[in-house]
Amino acid sequence: QKEVEQDPGPLSVPEGAIVSLNCTYSNSAFQYFMWYRQYSRKGPELLMYTYSSGNKEDGRFTAQVDKSSKYISLFIRDSQPSDSATYLCAMCADSSYKLIFGSGTRLLVRP
Amino acid sequence: EAGVTQSPTHLIKTRGQQATLRCSPISGHTSVYWYQQALGLGLQFLLWYDEGEERNRGNFPPRFSGRQFPNYSSELNVNALELEDSALYLCASSPKNIQYFGAGTRLSVL
Repeated sequence: QKEVEQDPGPLSVPEGAIVSLNCTYSNSAFQYFMWYRQYSRKGPELLMYTYSSGNKEDGRFTAQVDKSSKYISLFIRDSQPSDSATYLCAMCADSSYKLIFGSGTRLLVRP
Repeated sequence: EAGVTQSPTHLIKTRGQQATLRCSPISGHTSVYWYQQALGLGLQFLLWYDEGEERNRGNFPPRFSGRQFPNYSSELNVNALELEDSALYLCASSPKNIQYFGAGTRLSVL
């Protein structure tokens, strides 16, 4: 079993829809949780960063962490065609700073 | 402020050769991380350098090595290249836990 599980998709939604992306993990030592966006043949771009449990909002993006369920989510409101990309969740324990990534979910927002 | 820069953008080598990839971190960041993103395998942690020292290493053979220079830039060396080393190699820099990535070097081994 992988340490971090993420549905690879693809997830296809119409423009304006609310998108929900999720990851589950097995290592209870993970304390730092990130979401990255990666366009084709580019490097990952940091979208959201959360420490421990809770919610964090930034514009159209909301990140949620539920450590009791070992489950993290990223919500995108009013999705745009420019949001079409692969979304990677990543996490690390306090001690190692080594990021463990999900396999990424490919999102397609249709105009 | 300049982001993480990597060079070269593309690198084509033949099996058995050596490849050298370079990374300049964001100004003020002392930690540099290297990841491999191979098709179908996702992002795999390779190496972590901080203050010139190797701090952590992923599950890769010893022919993957690197170093960090006094100005915090870093080099990744891959010796005895194999076909399966073809991948996007990503460098990230960090002041602590938040890692910011460069655009990567695409290595093709023929």
